[in-house]
Amino acid sequence: AQTVTQSQPEMSVQEAETVTLSCTYDTSESDYYLFWYKQPPSRQMILVIRQEAYKQQNATENRFSVNFQKAAKSFSLKISDSQLGDAAMYFCAYRSIGGGSQGNLIFGKGTKLSVKP
Amino acid sequence: KAGVTQTPRYLIKTRGQQVTLSCSPISGHRSVSWYQQTPGQGLQFLFEYFSETQRNKGNFPGRFSGRQFSNSRSEMNVSTLELGDSALYLCASSSNSFNTEAFFGQGTRLTVV
Repeated sequence: AQTVTQSQPEMSVQEAETVTLSCTYDTSESDYYLFWYKQPPSRQMILVIRQEAYKQQNATENRFSVNFQKAAKSFSLKISDSQLGDAAMYFCAYRSIGGGSQGNLIFGKGTKLSVKP
Repeated sequence: KAGVTQTPRYLIKTRGQQVTLSCSPISGHRSVSWYQQTPGQGLQFLFEYFSETQRNKGNFPGRFSGRQFSNSRSEMNVSTLELGDSALYLCASSSNSFNTEAFFGQGTRLTVV
């Protein structure tokens, strides 16, 4: 079974600085998707960034980028120029491609990010 | 385009009762998944429906059930509520059978007393 581990329960960053959130996962599959979701106090999960395992190029969305190391099964999220609105819980998630696990997101426990003004 | 709508937003029930939660996906989306979020267990997958068929199910007791209607709206039901069922229940919808991107609703906060 696949697992996702986020080893940092809480992180803090100064406004305008850069922060990196860590995520590791375990799987025997060769193709899959990885995601970072943000959950602000409003509780709604918002997709931040997505990475397809078969793509070697790291995904980037504006100030958000990932460092995807497939062999090491590592998927970290870098937030550049941190803003107060980035304060939230961040969840790393894994999803298989096809098979009986279609549509099943497997989440890590989350990292609570605080942004200091 | 309206997002995923979950109703009600908050619910308080007594132990032993049953509850039904509703999820309206984004228009055109055919896949609906349900997740339970608690401080202790985190986010756990309940089940997924695609075109009115349950396609995948998580490791939850039979007290948890769901269904999907022809308009893709989904309901989940929990019978014989226990205190441990208190949680945030999140619904997510996707446009295709591969669920490349899931869009979440704001959740229903269920409190069992």
